[in-house]
Amino acid sequence: AQSVTQPDIHITVSEGASLELRCNYSYGATPYLFWYVQSPGQGLQLLLKYFSGDTLVQGIKGFEAEFKRSQSSFNLRKPSVHWSDAAEYFCAVGPPAYSGGGADGLTFGKGTHLIIQP
Amino acid sequence: KAGVTQTPRYLIKTRGQQVTLSCSPISGHRSVSWYQQTPGQGLQFLFEYFSETQRNKGNFPGRFSGRQFSNSRSEMNVSTLELGDSALYLCASSLSTADEAFFGQGTRLTVV
Repeated sequence: AQSVTQPDIHITVSEGASLELRCNYSYGATPYLFWYVQSPGQGLQLLLKYFSGDTLVQGIKGFEAEFKRSQSSFNLRKPSVHWSDAAEYFCAVGPPAYSGGGADGLTFGKGTHLIIQP
Repeated sequence: KAGVTQTPRYLIKTRGQQVTLSCSPISGHRSVSWYQQTPGQGLQFLFEYFSETQRNKGNFPGRFSGRQFSNSRSEMNVSTLELGDSALYLCASSLSTADEAFFGQGTRLTVV
C-alpha cells in the first residue's frame, strides 16, 4: 500500500530565511506527486504537482519541489519565506493516469506545521 | 471561474442522527472525491465519484455513503453519527480521475 511520510511535524523558520519541507513516499510505481497548503479552518490549496518530465517543478507563491526517484522524495523548497507562508503543508501521492486512475484517491502525509518567526 | 463549493460550512449534530453534506464541483469537472480530516488520523480518502459512478471507497464503515448527480454535484451522507465522526469533510473535484484535485473549504461537522 502507498504511504507518504513527512518527518517534520513542526518547522520554525525566520522570515526571509530559506525553507525545505521533506516528503518521502512509498509506491509501487512513480506516482503523481503533490504539495498542498492549508490555512487554519480552510480547505487545501494546490502549490505544485509532478506528473512526469522535468524533476524540478515550479509552483505558486514562489515554491518549488524536486522529485528524486532514487530517494523516493519530493521535497518542497522556498528561497525566502514570508510571514504569510505560516500554514500546514501536506505532501500527497496519487495513482498515475496510466494505471487507470484514482482508484485509491490521494494519500496524504500527516502534514508539517510551518511557523514563521519575525 | 468559481471554485469548489461545499455546504454547509458548519454543522452540529447529535449522536445517532444522520447528516448530508453537499459539494458543487468546478464547472466541467466530472470527478468528485471526499476526504475526512481529523487531528488524529489526518486526511483520509472516503470515496470518489466519476460520472455518477462510485469508483472506489476508502476504509470507512458503511454508515458513510455518497452519490453524484448528472450535473456532477455530489452529496455524502453519514448515518447514525458517532462522536468520532467529528471532522472537517473536504470535497475535491478534478477534470478526470487522475488530474489535479481542487479542494473546497470543507464542512466542519461536530457531533455532540
